[in-house]
Amino acid sequence: GNSVTQMEGPVTLSEEAFLTINCTYTATGYPSLFWYVQYPGEGLQLLLKATKADDKGSNKGFEATYRKETTSFHLEKGSVQVSDSAVYFCALSDNTNAGKSTFGDGTTLTVKP
Amino acid sequence: ETGVTQSPTHLIKTRGQQVTLRCSSQSGHNTVSWYQQALGQGPQFIFQYYREEENGRGNFPPRFSGLQFPNYSSELNVNALELDDSALYLCASSPGLAGVGGDTQYFGPGTRLTVL
Repeated sequence: GNSVTQMEGPVTLSEEAFLTINCTYTATGYPSLFWYVQYPGEGLQLLLKATKADDKGSNKGFEATYRKETTSFHLEKGSVQVSDSAVYFCALSDNTNAGKSTFGDGTTLTVKP
Repeated sequence: ETGVTQSPTHLIKTRGQQVTLRCSSQSGHNTVSWYQQALGQGPQFIFQYYREEENGRGNFPPRFSGLQFPNYSSELNVNALELDDSALYLCASSPGLAGVGGDTQYFGPGTRLTVL
C-alpha cells in the first residue's frame, strides 16, 4: 500500500536559518504530492502541491520538487521566521484510488528569534 | 466562501456508545473525506463521499459509517465506541474528486473525541 515517511522531529532552528524537511513516499501509479501545515490551534492548510514528476510547488517562500527517481518531495525554505513555527505534514493522493490521501506523521518546527 | 466547519468541537463518550460528528463543506464542493488523527500522528483516511455516495474507504471497520447530504453537509457515525477511537476527526471538502489531478482539499478544524 501507499506510505509516506517524514524525517523525525522536532526541528528547532534560529530565525533566518535554512530549512529542509525530508519526505519520501511509496505509491503505485502516479500520485499527487502535498505539504500541509498545521499552526497551533488551527486546522490543516494546504501549503503547496505538485501533481507530476519534476513539478515544483511553491508558496510563502517554501518549495518542494516532485522527484520520481528518488520518490521524494522534500520541503525547503531559505530563511525561516518565527511565524513558520508549526507542524508540517507531507501527503500523497493516489489518483487511481478515489483520491484516498496518505499522510506522514508530521514534523514539528520551532523557530527561535 | 464560508470554509469548512465541524461540530461539535469537543465530545466525551463512554465505551460502547454511539457518536455522530457533523461537517459542513464549502458550497459547491461535491467531495467530502473524513480522517482520524491520533495524537502525534498524521491523519488516517476513513472514507470519502462524492455526490452522496461512498467513493473509497480506508482500513476502518464497518462501525464507522457516513452520510453526505445534498446541502453539502455530511456526518460521520461511529458505533460501539472503543477507547482507541479517541482522536481528532477531520473532514475535508474539495470541488471535484480529491486526488484526481491533485484537487485541493480544504480541512475543517476537527472534532476532538474522547472515549472513556
